[in-house]
Amino acid sequence: GENVEQHPSTLSVQEGDSAVIKCTYSDSASNYFPWYKQELGKGPQLIIDIRSNVGEKKDQRIAVTLNKTAKHFSLHITETQPEDSAVYFCAARPRLSSASKIIFGSGTRLSIRP
Amino acid sequence: GAVVSQHPSRVICKSGTSVKIECRSLDFQATTMFWYRQFPKQSLMLMATSNEGSKATYEQGVEKDKFLINHASLTLSTLTVTSAHPEDSSFYICSARQTGSSDEQFFGPGTRLTVL
Repeated sequence: GENVEQHPSTLSVQEGDSAVIKCTYSDSASNYFPWYKQELGKGPQLIIDIRSNVGEKKDQRIAVTLNKTAKHFSLHITETQPEDSAVYFCAARPRLSSASKIIFGSGTRLSIRP
Repeated sequence: GAVVSQHPSRVICKSGTSVKIECRSLDFQATTMFWYRQFPKQSLMLMATSNEGSKATYEQGVEKDKFLINHASLTLSTLTVTSAHPEDSSFYICSARQTGSSDEQFFGPGTRLTVL
């Protein structure tokens, strides 16, 4: 089955700098890669997603890149702000998943230093 | 749009009792809902996939008789933790996939269960 690995587990960056979180997946048939932001005591919120037919997607300060050959995908946050502090999860959905279930990475705790 | 609610947000119960958690899609129909459990500082672990009008599909290692799932309508799925024990204390989160959509899942705010 699909396995998603995420690095780093914790990340601290200066406000205004960029943050990069990386994930790898094992199932080459996976075709949907969402990223979620989870604040303390709340459910995850989708912040951006990418499908396997594109290599990059951007939404304001957030961008995601996908390398299907290497089975890598990354989240890039530019001009970080204090409100970006949260836990971020990458995920992948195997194409052959009959129920469209997604597999989560282990999470990255991002802290923005003022 | 695409809002998912959960009730209750927090529950404390005595060991041996049963607790029901509701997951509702407020402004869309969801043929499929998913139930996750999250322990502190860990990732979300899928427990089961809930399908409207049919039996839920449980992940390996999840006891179906302990975690009863009912998806009786296109907007409501319930998870009942039966005979709860302290080790069942966790953050339970549901998500819903809009009928006709194959990708995006919308997550609820979670339910914090504490079993004394």
